[in-house]
Amino acid sequence: EDQVTQSPEALRLQEGESSSLNCSYTVSGLRGLFWYRQDPGKGPEFLFTLYSAGEEKEKERLKATLTKKESFLHITAPKPEDSATYLCAVQDSGNTPLVFGKGTRLSVIA
Amino acid sequence: KAGVTQTPRYLIKTRGQQVTLSCSPISGHRSVSWYQQTPGQGLQFLFEYFSETQRNKGNFPGRFSGRQFSNSRSEMNVSTLELGDSALYLCASSARTANYGYTFGSGTRLTVV
Repeated sequence: EDQVTQSPEALRLQEGESSSLNCSYTVSGLRGLFWYRQDPGKGPEFLFTLYSAGEEKEKERLKATLTKKESFLHITAPKPEDSATYLCAVQDSGNTPLVFGKGTRLSVIA
Repeated sequence: KAGVTQTPRYLIKTRGQQVTLSCSPISGHRSVSWYQQTPGQGLQFLFEYFSETQRNKGNFPGRFSGRQFSNSRSEMNVSTLELGDSALYLCASSARTANYGYTFGSGTRLTVV
């Protein structure tokens, strides 16, 4: 059974204090690993898809990396507007649905 | 390009009633997935439809059902509502081609009283 574990559950950063969020996963064969951002009361907003170990993608202050067992979302010099819950999801090689982790709740304090 | 549209945004129902939620996917997307999100369980997969056929089903009781129409719009129905059904119900559409992603709607907040 596919499993996704995100850590930490919550993270509080000062503005400008860089950090990383972790997503550990177990799948029989990875088709894709997805990162989403979710603001309160809204649906998840797509950030990145990673397909193979060693792949990296960047968007503004965010950089996602992938190994065979985990993915990291690095946040460089965060701003208060980066405060949100960040969700990780995996899809295995069959036509199976996304399996989500429970998310990391990020707060960036000015 | 219009995103995924879910209606209604908010709903309050009484225990024992039934409810129907609607999802209009991005134009051209033939896959629609439904998820239930609660604070304790996170996002839990309900079902996925592709070209009017249910492709996958999550581990939810038979009170939860869905369907997809020929224009790819989808509805989900919950019968005999229970207090524990209170949640944010999210719909996601996908093109289901190589290197695809899933785009979520804003969700329907269902409160059962």
